[in-house]
Amino acid sequence: LAKTTQPISMDSYEGQEVNITCSHNNIATNDYITWYQQFPSQGPRFIIQGYKTKVTNEVASLFIPADRKSSTLSLPRVSLSDTAVYYCLVGDATTDSWGKLQFGAGTQVVVTP
Amino acid sequence: GAVVSQHPSRVICKSGTSVKIECRSLDFQATTMFWYRQFPKKSLMLMATSNEGSKATYEQGVEKDKFLINHASLTLSTLTVTSAHPEDSSFYICSARDGPWTTSYNEQFFGPGTRLTVL
Repeated sequence: LAKTTQPISMDSYEGQEVNITCSHNNIATNDYITWYQQFPSQGPRFIIQGYKTKVTNEVASLFIPADRKSSTLSLPRVSLSDTAVYYCLVGDATTDSWGKLQFGAGTQVVVTP
Repeated sequence: GAVVSQHPSRVICKSGTSVKIECRSLDFQATTMFWYRQFPKKSLMLMATSNEGSKATYEQGVEKDKFLINHASLTLSTLTVTSAHPEDSSFYICSARDGPWTTSYNEQFFGPGTRLTVL
């Protein structure tokens, strides 16, 4: 699995857009980029996954440049309930080994009123 | 999406005793489940891969005799912490994925976690 680097923490105010960039210089051809959200004392929750360009769902958007060496998770108009740790993971999601996730430190996002 | 449950949600035990944690896939079958451990303010660390009907495979540094894993059915994996000590106190989380024929195959569904405190 490719190693990822993301900021340790980010602060934001309610209603603002939060963008978290993850670096993955050694991403392989078959690798997908997946983001998880974790609240204290809960298991991680899948947010979004993409391979290239842009992916959007009801929760977030994921921007992936052409070289795929980085990706940006965009959380629109955050609320206090978006305060959580966000993890970026890179790996081939289509293989059996995908379950062996190697979590990095993650980004602690704190949203204040 | 698919749901993974864990039981108990929290457990307190005395040093030297054994504790069993259950992980269930509620609405799908999982031939493979994964066990993670998370210490306070730290990231998740993969402990082992639980395979239905066969032995679990452990990550380097994880004692297989201490953390016994049994995957007796396609919906249940158990993690038993044997002779628990205070340093085993942690948050244990399991995960599983649905089959390759589903639209959620690329997702990994996590359980809510089990907080273990060893006194």
